[in-house]
Amino acid sequence: GQNIDQPTEMTATEGAIVQINCTYQTSGFNGLFWYQQHAGEAPTFLSYNVLDGLEEKGRFSSFLSRSKGYSYLLLKELQMKDSASYLCAVRDYTGGFKTIFGAGTRLFVKA
Amino acid sequence: DTGVSQDPRHKITKRGQNVTFRCDPISEHNRLYWYRQTLGQGPEFLTYFQNEAQLEKSRLLSDRFSAERPKGSFSTLEIQRTEQGDSAMYLCASSPPEGGYTFGSGTRLTVV
Repeated sequence: GQNIDQPTEMTATEGAIVQINCTYQTSGFNGLFWYQQHAGEAPTFLSYNVLDGLEEKGRFSSFLSRSKGYSYLLLKELQMKDSASYLCAVRDYTGGFKTIFGAGTRLFVKA
Repeated sequence: DTGVSQDPRHKITKRGQNVTFRCDPISEHNRLYWYRQTLGQGPEFLTYFQNEAQLEKSRLLSDRFSAERPKGSFSTLEIQRTEQGDSAMYLCASSPPEGGYTFGSGTRLTVV
C-alpha cells in the first residue's frame, strides 16, 4: 500500500525560512510532487522530484531521498501570501500512475 | 486553452437526488483524474481515464458513483441517490503522460 506522512501544521515568521518534511512508503515510486493549496481553492503545482537531490525554483526548493522515502519543501523569504496548505504527493506506477496525496501541512506565516 | 474547467462551481442538493458534474481538461492532456477532498484532508483518488478508457476506479467509490469520458475529451462524474457523506469538493485534474497535474477549480457539493 501507500502511506504519506507530513506535519499537520507549522507556523513561521515573515522573511524567515521554513522546511516542510514528508515521508512516504510506496511500492512503485515514480515521482514526488509538492502542491500549494490556498483555502477554498484547488491545489497548484509547485515542484516535481524523481531523482535524488535538490530542485530549486525561485524561493521554493524541494529535496528527495528515495532510499529514505523522504522529501522536504523549503520556502525562503516567507511572505504572508505563502500561508496555505502544502500537499506532498507520490506517483505510483503500480497504481496506473495515479498520484496519492498526503493530508497536507497548513503553514501560517505571521508578521 | 484556459486550463481545466469544472462546472458547476457549487451544487446544493437534497439527499437522495442525483447530481452530475462536468470537467473539461486541457486539450493536449490525455489523462484525466477525479479526486474528492474534504476539509483538512488531501485529495482522495476516485478514478482515472487515459483518453476515453477508464483505467482505474477506487474501491472507495460505491456503485452510486459513475464517471465517463465518451470521446476522450470532457468527462462527467455522476452521483446517484446522494447521501450527506458525499458532501465534499470534487476536483478534476488533467496531465500529460509524465507531468504533474493541473487541477480545475473544483465543484463543491453540499447534500442537505
